[in-house]
Amino acid sequence: ETGVTQTPRHLVMGMTNKKSLKCEQHLGHNAMYWYKQSAKKPLELMFVYNFKEQTENNSVPSRFSPECPNSSHLFLHLHTLQPEDSALYLCASSQAGGAGGPNEQYFGPGTRLTVT
Amino acid sequence: QKEVEQNSGPLSVPEGAIASLNCTYSDRGSQSFFWYRQYSGKSPELIMSIYSNGDKEDGRFTAQLNKASQYVSLLIRDSQPSDSATYLCAVRSSGSARQLTFGSGTQLTVLP
Repeated sequence: ETGVTQTPRHLVMGMTNKKSLKCEQHLGHNAMYWYKQSAKKPLELMFVYNFKEQTENNSVPSRFSPECPNSSHLFLHLHTLQPEDSALYLCASSQAGGAGGPNEQYFGPGTRLTVT
Repeated sequence: QKEVEQNSGPLSVPEGAIASLNCTYSDRGSQSFFWYRQYSGKSPELIMSIYSNGDKEDGRFTAQLNKASQYVSLLIRDSQPSDSATYLCAVRSSGSARQLTFGSGTQLTVLP
């Protein structure tokens, strides 16, 4: 495996279900991100993990719960979602570089989530 | 509110022409700038990064940055139908080591 991988690629779930999205990066990075991409809207940053520590949570509802067990793996646990949560969920990774350093983020293929 | 603005398009250019994509940003302290290409149904792919004023060339792509005008652009020379995609501008703002703010993207169509 190379780059950033995500599973599953497609997910259909009911509003009462619990599911998890998985992301793995093979780039030796130490920062990982979850983004949401809805139709006709800019990419929305959800969570940032730096060296396994959550450093940013952009006012994301509690029905989305991230987990980062190590610098290579990132999960997004989903429960009691709403139909408006249907979107493409993207994972990305980068070096953790400081304020003056590069921050090139590389994306995984995404999980297309549909909430029924 | 830190903002990144792009013309949504669609922008159509004939094959072989130069496509010019523009982006403005509100945070004067922004330090790093990126262009991503996103094909329909796919994830964003990083194609260019630029950190200093001026031009940066990579193959058929040239990124241009003017921090005084808070403006960054992407030129695609000899456009090909395979360049048809949505191009996303992303900016790393001051005060955040990792957070990127994305524009809504410009849809480019290269006509054969």
